[in-house]
Amino acid sequence: AQSVTQLDSHVSVSEGTPVLLRCNYSSSYSPSLFWYVQHPNKGLQLLLKYTSAATLVKGINGFEAEFKKSETSFHLTKPSAHMSDAAEYFCVVSLGSGNTGKLIFGQGTTLQVKP
Amino acid sequence: NAGVTQTPKFRILKIGQSMTLQCTQDMNHNYMYWYRQDPGMGLKLIYYSVGAGITDKGEVPNGYNVSRSTTEDFPLRLELAAPSQTSVYFCASGPRQEANEKLFFGSGTQLSVL
Repeated sequence: AQSVTQLDSHVSVSEGTPVLLRCNYSSSYSPSLFWYVQHPNKGLQLLLKYTSAATLVKGINGFEAEFKKSETSFHLTKPSAHMSDAAEYFCVVSLGSGNTGKLIFGQGTTLQVKP
Repeated sequence: NAGVTQTPKFRILKIGQSMTLQCTQDMNHNYMYWYRQDPGMGLKLIYYSVGAGITDKGEVPNGYNVSRSTTEDFPLRLELAAPSQTSVYFCASGPRQEANEKLFFGSGTQLSVL
């Protein structure tokens, strides 16, 4: 069965310092993995996605994530946090083709950015 | 560029009342989804549709109904509201070719059942 675990429910960083949001997954086959961001009172927006083309995936707003099969991880990073990065972040795994867009969401990580 | 539009944004219901959450998209997407998000949890799939006239259950369908008479609209119906249905509801859509990839989300409906 597929599952996603976000290891931190809350992360607090200072503006200008690196961001690390951790995600581990469980999948019986090669998964499609995503990071979505949710700003307050807004819908979810795709940050980046991994679909087996390259293990290091670059997304919007300077975020990137590295797929590590040996560690079953897909951690999200950013070299320098900005105040506008404060939001809820979700790591997501897709059940894949034939499962009609069924996504498994992690519990979410709240990113706080302090001035 | 409206994208996915949900109405209402907020609603308070009494136990046993019924209501319909509206969702419409203007991107001609075949795939549409309803998710609920409970505090401190990720989103869970309620129902989905692969095209007009076709709907199917997701992970947590009990207490809900849907219909898909047009490509644009995918309303979610609560017949007998219960406190357990207090949640934030998100509608999403995706193009046929990328059904398992990028989804476009509405801004959500916050529902409280008291």
